[in-house]
Amino acid sequence: NAGVMQNPRHLVRRRGQEARLRCSPMKGHSHVYWYRQLPEEGLKFMVYLQKENIIDESGMPKERFSAEFPKEGPSILRIQQVVRGDSAAYFCASSLGLAGPDTQYFGPGTRLTVL
Amino acid sequence: DQQVKQNSPSLSVQEGRISILNCDYTNSMFDYFLWYKKYPAEGPTFLISISSIKDKNEDGRFTVFLNKSAKHLSLHIVPSQPGDSAVYFCAATISNDYKLSFGAGTTVTVRA
Repeated sequence: NAGVMQNPRHLVRRRGQEARLRCSPMKGHSHVYWYRQLPEEGLKFMVYLQKENIIDESGMPKERFSAEFPKEGPSILRIQQVVRGDSAAYFCASSLGLAGPDTQYFGPGTRLTVL
Repeated sequence: DQQVKQNSPSLSVQEGRISILNCDYTNSMFDYFLWYKKYPAEGPTFLISISSIKDKNEDGRFTVFLNKSAKHLSLHIVPSQPGDSAVYFCAATISNDYKLSFGAGTTVTVRA
């Protein structure tokens, strides 16, 4: 399966713990995007990364959230000291990075529940 | 600020009939539009897209229409099938940008 892979699919954390979400892009894709979906809402852009570079993190909360996409390995979205309001579905997407229209393909998501 | 709006949260349609999903946008800079389909507990699946240089794009049972002057697009599914029951998201972007702006989704239920 050459699709976008995310793990874990479900993650339960207590308030104050750390959450690490992983994303492996589609084969051949070098651009990764993270989105968050709160209940009853659409997906909201968080961050856009290329290998070893954060291109745009304007949608990410300034504190506690960070993202990386190392030269080797998956992209990681890290949430420190989680709070109940962080409970959401986090989706990763990847694309080829074409100039002009560039379709993003999504992974199955990680559902984070903060107790 | 919600730049993409799907004003109908749900739609129920009989199998074999046409499903019409609507989407409005406010940002006149958007020039690339996409529809995604999402089943529960899965990620959005790309369905069909349209560039602002076109007013219609067709792919099998799915057709997207774009009315730039009204800042409105619609997705037609003909004929509707039970497997089409899902949440459909409209998304928009500026083609040299990368951020997708999503609507809140429309839940389609196809009745047998």
